Amino acid sequence: GENVEQHPSTLSVQEGDSAVIKCTYSDSASNYFPWYKQELGKRPQLIIDIRSNVGEKKDQRIAVTLNKTAKHFSLHITETQPEDSAVYFCAASIRPTNAGKSTFGDGTTLTVKP
Amino acid sequence: EAQVTQNPRYLITVTGKKLTVTCSQNMNHEYMSWYRQDPGLGLRQIYYSMNVEVTDKGDVPEGYKVSRKEKRNFPLILESPSPNQTSLYFCASSLSSYQETQYFGPGTRLLVL
Repeated sequence: GENVEQHPSTLSVQEGDSAVIKCTYSDSASNYFPWYKQELGKRPQLIIDIRSNVGEKKDQRIAVTLNKTAKHFSLHITETQPEDSAVYFCAASIRPTNAGKSTFGDGTTLTVKP
Repeated sequence: EAQVTQNPRYLITVTGKKLTVTCSQNMNHEYMSWYRQDPGLGLRQIYYSMNVEVTDKGDVPEGYKVSRKEKRNFPLILESPSPNQTSLYFCASSLSSYQETQYFGPGTRLLVL
């Protein structure tokens, strides 16, 4: 089955700096890669996603890049703010043929210091 | 309001006492899933359902059962809970195989003594 590895497990940055979280996946058939943000005591919420036919996607201060050949994808957060502090999860799945099955990384705890 | 709800939110039980955690969504979503979240282990999928009466195992199905008799409900059943099932459980739903965004419920924190 699919295996998703996420690094680093913890990340601390100064406010205004950039943060990068990386994930690698094992199943070359995976084609959908979402990122979820989970604030303390809250539920995970989707912040951005990318499909395998796209190399990069941006949404204001966040971006995701995908390298299909190397089987890795990354979350980039620029101009970090204290409210970006949370746990971030990457995931991989095969859509639509196996749409229900999702494999998540172990999470990265991001701390943004004011 | 579009939402995924879970009940109960907190539960303390004893080993071997059967329990059910309910999950309901009002968005007419086809897909529903159950995850458990443990420190350092991320979100691990227990079971998922593609539609009514269609379910499949995720990565950690042992000790759990599910059913999908109605589109909106996807209960998680622990027939004989054990302490290693102490965890935070999330239910999630998504519209279809092409509308992949998963919407998570608020979570159920379970302690098995």
